[in-house]
Amino acid sequence: GAVVSQHPSWVICKSGTSVKIECRSLDFQATTMFWYRQFPKQSLMLMATSNEGSKATYEQGVEKDKFLINHASLTLSTLTVTSAHPEDSSFYICSARDYPYEQYFGPGTRLTVT
Amino acid sequence: SQELEQSPQSLIVQEGKNLTINCTSSKTLYGLYWYKQKYGEGLIFLMMLQKGGEEKSHEKITAKLDEKKQQSSLHITASQPSHAGIYLCGADLTGANSKLTFGKGITLSVRP
Repeated sequence: GAVVSQHPSWVICKSGTSVKIECRSLDFQATTMFWYRQFPKQSLMLMATSNEGSKATYEQGVEKDKFLINHASLTLSTLTVTSAHPEDSSFYICSARDYPYEQYFGPGTRLTVT
Repeated sequence: SQELEQSPQSLIVQEGKNLTINCTSSKTLYGLYWYKQKYGEGLIFLMMLQKGGEEKSHEKITAKLDEKKQQSSLHITASQPSHAGIYLCGADLTGANSKLTFGKGITLSVRP
């Protein structure tokens, strides 16, 4: 199957700082990528849909100014958590859609805000 | 209420036993995806089903889609410790082939 990578795999940052997470499709081009958030022992909650070359579409309740998404190329999408706070600590997972339907997920990034 | 319900919530089986887990939707299913996750790790794609009555198998895992019942089942034959993990179903509930809605997952433990 197709491979999606994320970097970093884990990050610890201080409250008030910003953190950038990268999501790459390694062996296919993805016009659409998705960003999810997962709390311990909970399901995945879609945060936003990232489309190459256009603005991301955010789900209801997700602050677009806090979670900045950039999809600059067909293989890279980034999620920047701005002015992070402890409540932003979570497991963030991206997925990329390989034509036409299958979605492949990255290994996730664990963010801890102290 | 949850749009995708997975059952049972957790399952413990003896190695070698067969098992079935389910995913039921409150809305029309336009596509149903099964993933496996180890706690704290990413999701491993297992199978995708789109058409009513569709059935796919990979190694010892078989997934079926019952479109009328808006339900999918995942069956594991002769379970092994390597099958242990969290099984998540994700569904396209809009027909736009885009975002997926996920169930809460089923934790499977296999006793050697």
